[in-house]
Amino acid sequence: NAGVMQNPRHLVRRRGQEARLRCSPMKGHSHVYWYRQLPEEGLKFMVYLQKENIIDESGMPKERFSAEFPKEGPSILRIQQVVRGDSAAYFCASSPTEGQIVREQFFGPGTRLTVL
Amino acid sequence: GDSVTQMEGPVTLSEEAFLTINCTYTATGYPSLFWYVQYPGEGLQLLLKATKADDKGSNKGFEATYRKETTSFHLEKGSVQVSDSAVYFCALSDQGAQKLVFGQGTRLTINP
Repeated sequence: NAGVMQNPRHLVRRRGQEARLRCSPMKGHSHVYWYRQLPEEGLKFMVYLQKENIIDESGMPKERFSAEFPKEGPSILRIQQVVRGDSAAYFCASSPTEGQIVREQFFGPGTRLTVL
Repeated sequence: GDSVTQMEGPVTLSEEAFLTINCTYTATGYPSLFWYVQYPGEGLQLLLKATKADDKGSNKGFEATYRKETTSFHLEKGSVQVSDSAVYFCALSDQGAQKLVFGQGTRLTINP
């Protein structure tokens, strides 16, 4: 059973470009979370999605950031018009959460975004 | 809002030393508590968890006990190894909220 997959592992963008980060959850998991880790800091929650629905986006910046988890295919975190402050590691996690029961989140290896 | 505070690092120990990494939390409900470990260049791996007061999570020689009265979840290991060198994150998930709230992480280095 493959784990959570993220690609690319490393992404370099120039200021003003768009960054697209992909996450394929573990087989059988329909819940996806995105977290951002700034250098030497802990992970900060960004968004929680189920198939075709955004459940909680309280950690997402209001501008330039968007996320989706379509019925088919991976979850996508999109950052438009990147700035140097967007440089960070972006981690995706998935879980088999059901209802109000908290299940373990399984993390991918992360995408390290560098904005030049 | 919910928050997690960890012992600041970095922490450097000799092999076979006793390890404690302190973690305290603030939450409005009854959270589940977790310790995650991150090895260099990798994602986070769940180390152990506890879902209610007085539960003890354990794995690979590490232990942590959910203490509601002191709102703490300190990580301990009796005899550390060089391979335990990593960054350790304490986290909570409030009931129904699903998202994890992380502490800032503690970098642990074990010298042979």
